Amino acid sequence: DTGVSQDPRHKITKRGQNVTFRCDPISEHNRLYWYRQTLGQGPEFLTYFQNEAQLEKSRLLSDRFSAERPKGSFSTLEIQRTEQGDSAMYLCASSPQAPGSPLHFGNGTRLTVT
Amino acid sequence: AQKVTQAQTEISVVEKEDVTLDCVYETRDTTYYLFWYKQPPSGELVFLIRRNSFDEQNEISGRYSWNFQKSTSSFNFTITASQVVDSAVYFCALRNNNAGNMLTFGGGTRLMVKP
Repeated sequence: DTGVSQDPRHKITKRGQNVTFRCDPISEHNRLYWYRQTLGQGPEFLTYFQNEAQLEKSRLLSDRFSAERPKGSFSTLEIQRTEQGDSAMYLCASSPQAPGSPLHFGNGTRLTVT
Repeated sequence: AQKVTQAQTEISVVEKEDVTLDCVYETRDTTYYLFWYKQPPSGELVFLIRRNSFDEQNEISGRYSWNFQKSTSSFNFTITASQVVDSAVYFCALRNNNAGNMLTFGGGTRLMVKP
């Protein structure tokens, strides 16, 4: 069990550019989640997958955001036409399907939009 | 709708003091789970404990203890004999049984333990 891995750890981009983040979950976990955390706040849910199916999306996830998990393993989160308000820590987590299973989080990708 | 409130935004204690972090939650569901996570300065969220709504037995694990009171919708967390390494942001979180494992987090309590 190597834990949840996220890449890159930091990303600085100019407003209007597209960015893509990657998450590799714990291998035996079939659920994968994306959260966003801004300074001084708790994490906010964005979306989650069960295997390759995207089962829920938050209203926070505007149409500039898209997430995929094509083979039910790693996932990518893309933000198109970034805005300064997108600056945040993007957290990925995974869990087994069993009810009440805790989520295991990665170290996050910190995005700064200049 | 579900909501988690951590009224204490920041707590400062001196090493060896006991400290309790408060958490109050709202949910319409009868089956749900409550969690505490720790976020040290390195940034990674570390799972500490989970409780389900049917298990009101309080637990002690080393210097940590948890007090779940369903009647007051509270799930408080106590650190006994605090240490500098306990300095972190602590998050309480709620998941109901129909939310696909989605966690709703509180705003967090920043704990600073001074030597």
